[in-house]
Amino acid sequence: NAGVTQTPKFRILKIGQSMTLQCTQDMNHNYMYWYRQDPGMGLKLIYYSVGAGITDKGEVPNGYNVSRSTTEDFPLRLELAAPSQTSVYFCASSYQPGLAGSGANVLTFGAGSRLTVL
Amino acid sequence: GNSVTQMEGPVTLSEEAFLTINCTYTATGYPSLFWYVQYPGEGLQLLLKATKADDKGSNKGFEATYRKETTSFHLEKGSVQVSDSAVYFCALRANQGGKLIFGQGTELSVKP
Repeated sequence: NAGVTQTPKFRILKIGQSMTLQCTQDMNHNYMYWYRQDPGMGLKLIYYSVGAGITDKGEVPNGYNVSRSTTEDFPLRLELAAPSQTSVYFCASSYQPGLAGSGANVLTFGAGSRLTVL
Repeated sequence: GNSVTQMEGPVTLSEEAFLTINCTYTATGYPSLFWYVQYPGEGLQLLLKATKADDKGSNKGFEATYRKETTSFHLEKGSVQVSDSAVYFCALRANQGGKLIFGQGTELSVKP
């Protein structure tokens, strides 16, 4: 089982460059999420999606965009990279929260993408 | 609003010591509570969970009891190992359709 796969694992960007972090899952989860992790700050939700064609903002969406054209893929795009976007980014997926069953409410995370903006 | 507060780290223990990592929460209604663990260089993975008051979640020797009266979900382990060195995150989901809210994480370092 591949689970949640993120690419790239590491990337260095210059200020103003753009890039896309890729995320794909093979568990047929309908919910997908993007978080950023900053030291001592825990995880902050950037964007999430409840299914193909549907996305919504989380706590810290500014400077990012997402799309969800398929159930499997949920790319995160940075249009004009800024030093404040230096972070570790995690993609996650889950079944619909609140459904019956032991798998509900549990997120499966990717291994993370470390992004540095200089 | 809903929030999770964890004890600050890093926590450094010797092997076989007793571990407690405190977690308290603020939420309306009846949240579900979770502990996730992040090993070095990896993503987060679920360690244990509890969905209602007085439930005890347990896994790999770790335990946490959902205490509604004290709004707490402290993580405990009787005898830690070097392999338990990781960052531990407490999290809540405030309602069935809600998103996970994470605490800031507590780094645990276990020395041989």
